[in-house]
Amino acid sequence: RKEVEQDPGPFNVPEGATVAFNCTYSNSASQSFFWYRQDCRKEPKLLMSVYSSGNEDGRFTAQLNRASQYISLLIRDSKLSDSATYLCVVGYNTNAGKSTFGDGTTLTVKP
Amino acid sequence: DAGVTQSPTHLIKTRGQQVTLRCSPKSGHDTVSWYQQALGQGPQFIFQYYEEEERQRGNFPDRFSGHQFPNYSSELNVNALLLGDSALYLCASRETAGDGYTFGSGTRLTVV
Repeated sequence: RKEVEQDPGPFNVPEGATVAFNCTYSNSASQSFFWYRQDCRKEPKLLMSVYSSGNEDGRFTAQLNRASQYISLLIRDSKLSDSATYLCVVGYNTNAGKSTFGDGTTLTVKP
Repeated sequence: DAGVTQSPTHLIKTRGQQVTLRCSPKSGHDTVSWYQQALGQGPQFIFQYYEEEERQRGNFPDRFSGHQFPNYSSELNVNALLLGDSALYLCASRETAGDGYTFGSGTRLTVV
């Protein structure tokens, strides 16, 4: 079993739709959680951190469920520019701690 | 303010050769991690450097080695290249433990 697993996707949605991605992690000692966005043949870019209380950034909402060991990303009012691969990342709050990436979920927003 | 810079951007090597990839972290960042990303997969952790020491290592063979310099820049060395080493190699840095990483644009390595 992989340390970080994501919805297989791909997700194909119309503009304006709401879409949600889930990600589960296996290590209960994980302390840091992030969502990254990666465009085709580009580097991953940090989209948002995920906090225990949940957090929102415009159309994006991230939530963490430590008991069930999963995080989620909700995108409201999808735009064409949201088309990308979304990577779930789990890590540690130490300088010796690695960050583990999921394989990503591909989102295509269509007109 | 330059972000994470990597060189070279593209590289073609022959099986069995050795390669060195370079990374300069974002200003103010002292922790550098290296990742390998194969097509269609998420980045796989190779190793992390902090205070010039390898602090954590992923499931990669000893052919993969690295170094961090006093100015926090880093190198990734791969010996005895295999065809399967063809991938995008990403360097990432962060300022503080618990922060998200900032990635460089990567080095695309092709082994023929």
